[in-house]
Amino acid sequence: SQQGEEDPQALSIQEGENATMNCSYKTSINNLQWYRQNSGRGLVHLILIRSNEREKHSGRLRVTLDTSKKSSSLLITASRAADTASYFCATGGGYQKVTFGIGTKLQVIP
Amino acid sequence: EAGVAQSPRYKIIEKRQSVAFWCNPISGHATLYWYQQILGQGPKLLIQFQNNGVVDDSQLPKDRFSAERLKGVDSTLKIQPAKLEDSAVYLCASSFDGVPGELFFGEGSRLTVL
Repeated sequence: SQQGEEDPQALSIQEGENATMNCSYKTSINNLQWYRQNSGRGLVHLILIRSNEREKHSGRLRVTLDTSKKSSSLLITASRAADTASYFCATGGGYQKVTFGIGTKLQVIP
Repeated sequence: EAGVAQSPRYKIIEKRQSVAFWCNPISGHATLYWYQQILGQGPKLLIQFQNNGVVDDSQLPKDRFSAERLKGVDSTLKIQPAKLEDSAVYLCASSFDGVPGELFFGEGSRLTVL
């Protein structure tokens, strides 16, 4: 079963615009991670946010976490064509199973 | 540092045949994962190993899928007999022991069942 559910499932924006994608999950978590997957490739880790954190930044990425609403958002600022990929949230880790959402497919148009 | 190695990258078989995928995790990573990713969907966890032990295999179709982790390092995922709906990419990942941190993924093995 999928723990997370990303929204929207597909997003198309112009280069330079910001992209926001959301993730909702069902059970309590210790942390939440975001991954990127380029077409035909494996997933690459982007950022991890712990349950006691509300916001985290990494370069052009900003992640927020609202545990009361069981939701997280990933913001990519000043998007580039190279950001075109699918983005997944994941929960679990350590001695818990790691489950992924259904993903948001982002297309950045040059 | 070498990444997660998987083979083969591509495999085409007829239904009812068998297939095996191999994964070599990053050295020192105690946790190893096998995911099934059907086109257009998110990765679905099939089995998660912690060293030699199984953390979770609740979504592994045990009547046809089997997985083992040899001496807590390499792992093999086998499908026998294959069905059409097994067509997917099989992703292997590894992570450090007991630390809720990032998973490192291989490039995946793409299976087509005809």
